[in-house]
Amino acid sequence: DADVTQTPRNRITKTGKRIMLECSQTKGHDRMYWYRQDPGLGLRLIYYSFDVKDINKGEISDGYSVSRQAQAKFSLSLESAIPNQTALYFCATSDHSRGDGYTFGSGTRLTVV
Amino acid sequence: SQKIEQNSEALNIQEGKTATLTCNYTNYSPAYLQWYRQDPGRGPVFLLLIRENEKEKRKERLKVTFDTTLKQSLFHITASQPADSATYLCALDETGANNLFFGTGTRLTVIP
Repeated sequence: DADVTQTPRNRITKTGKRIMLECSQTKGHDRMYWYRQDPGLGLRLIYYSFDVKDINKGEISDGYSVSRQAQAKFSLSLESAIPNQTALYFCATSDHSRGDGYTFGSGTRLTVV
Repeated sequence: SQKIEQNSEALNIQEGKTATLTCNYTNYSPAYLQWYRQDPGRGPVFLLLIRENEKEKRKERLKVTFDTTLKQSLFHITASQPADSATYLCALDETGANNLFFGTGTRLTVIP
């Protein structure tokens, strides 16, 4: 099994629909992150969580919400999807000690039509 | 404004040569800098980390340098192979920011 598992791998949804992307990790790490990747813009942080009770906004959190259901699970929701949220979404995890590399999932390709 | 720039979008080199990728940053004060590899349709994979007080770090055929005066990191792959073809991302940690900021990446193609 992968260290970080994202579901679904691909999703097409309609404008205005609510959608949830799920992430689970088996690394036992405290920190989890959601990024989106767009061509030419690189990876941008949406939300991050340092433990179950700690949720923080990243640089592009508008239009998104998250839930940290357990140490191993961190889900991202789009409350009312819009076309410019079409992107590749990645979940990642890291150890609490600073300087550790991030472990990323394989991504979810989301298309909003 | 804050920027992380990687030297070019694409770099082609002959097999066996050394590939050198550049990462320049503006208006950041990173505690450390990381390099990742990303293959099409996959998530980034962590390669190396170098701290602000380190000049150079090596791992097998990979070497990273970090010059905080020039605000630049160089990433070298020696004896390059076609299997090294991928996009390489640099990322840095802004002191106190608690997360990584990524460059847009350089797509490396190693030609047999």
